[in-house]
Amino acid sequence: SNVLTQPPSVSVAPGKTATITCGGNNIGSKGVHWYQQRPGQAPVVVIYYDSDRSSGIPERFAGSKSGNTATLTISRVEAGDEADYHCQVWDASVDHPVVFGGGTKLIVL
Amino acid sequence: QVQLQESGPGLVKPSQTLSLTCTVSGGSISSGDYYWSWIRQPPGKGLEWIGYISYSGHTYYNPSLKSRVTISGDTSRKQFSLKLSSVTAADTAVYYCARGLIVAVPAPMVWFDPWGQGTLVTVSS
Repeated sequence: SNVLTQPPSVSVAPGKTATITCGGNNIGSKGVHWYQQRPGQAPVVVIYYDSDRSSGIPERFAGSKSGNTATLTISRVEAGDEADYHCQVWDASVDHPVVFGGGTKLIVL
Repeated sequence: QVQLQESGPGLVKPSQTLSLTCTVSGGSISSGDYYWSWIRQPPGKGLEWIGYISYSGHTYYNPSLKSRVTISGDTSRKQFSLKLSSVTAADTAVYYCARGLIVAVPAPMVWFDPWGQGTLVTVSS
């Protein structure tokens, strides 16, 4: 089965750039989606299909992918960006098609 | 704009069956290419996909939960439901319903948007 690996936490100062990675076998051939989950709230998709921004998401949020690693980049980080970020893929070739990464807590210093 | 709302008991006794309902407003569960899904999140942990019911009524479950899970739909009420039997403390979690958007081109993929607000279910005697 597919396993997606994310760092448990990433710390960044306000105004700087945060980079959150998501690694996994063969994700180069799959669409990677990113969710933001603020404390006490439900997840919200911020990036779908590797790099498409969801409606209403600021341009500061960008997704990319190279080889088997997808990256969520948040530019000019704000205090309100502090949240958990989860990556997710769909793998129809296995019996567990929906796979989430373990989540990364973005800490704004 | 589609919105989802979970409802059901917040406390379930061990060995009993957890039952939740998701009510969909602003759309129909029988139209469009969607997987109406249940996803849970134990306290302080990551997201775990439970399963889905498709717009055509087809269901698919997480193999690790398959023996205990049933997802059903009621198109007239715009609702879909989750039943999880023989629960233990390990099933304590926030349970979310979500709409899975299906895309076939350029590659098969599904992502979840929107999500319900979530409901905490505690398994305890």
